Amino acid sequence: IAGITQAPTSQILAAGRRMTLRCTQDMRHNAMYWYRQDLGLGLRLIHYSNTAGTTGKGEVPDGYSVSRANTDDFPLTLASAVPSQTSVYFCASSEEAASTDTQYFGPGTRLTVL
Amino acid sequence: GQNIDQPTEMTATEGAIVQINCTYQTSGFNGLFWYQQHAGEAPTFLSYNVLDGLEEKGRFSSFLSRSKGYSYLLLKELQMKDSASYLCAVRDSNYQLIWGAGTKLIIKP
Repeated sequence: IAGITQAPTSQILAAGRRMTLRCTQDMRHNAMYWYRQDLGLGLRLIHYSNTAGTTGKGEVPDGYSVSRANTDDFPLTLASAVPSQTSVYFCASSEEAASTDTQYFGPGTRLTVL
Repeated sequence: GQNIDQPTEMTATEGAIVQINCTYQTSGFNGLFWYQQHAGEAPTFLSYNVLDGLEEKGRFSSFLSRSKGYSYLLLKELQMKDSASYLCAVRDSNYQLIWGAGTKLIIKP
């Protein structure tokens, strides 16, 4: 693994189903982030984690949950998917949260909720 | 509220120069980033400004004026591979990145 990986690459999901998007990084970065990207809008932060064992809410957290059991993994769960959660989801990481560090992005997951 | 404004779309000719502007209003300022995003791909880092002035990196330069809440990304000697979206993002007082919607740059031969 080099950098950040996300799985699945794409998914079509029925409304009401539960879904977990996976994100793994091998750079030993402390901070990790989940964004959603919708046409015509900027990237919006869903949840973040400054270090393993801690998480925080971003701009659009409703309907999503995260966990950070270790440094490498940061899964995002949709407990009961709704069509408005159709989007492209990007996971990102940086060495530290409160710094000038660059964020590095995974390849994204394209999710369609029907 | 927090706001990042950049043009939705710009068109330029191969070999020319283009300037993509970004204006921002955020709660605090801890740096401004420019990212490039090709269609269907992840954003990749281009430049970072935290002090006023111009930062040059090869064909790409980025300028910042904190007093005006303004930045621009300058791309010289445009190549077809520069066709992409360019995202402006500001790190606010909570060290969170606030993102603009991006500028889609179309390069014509």
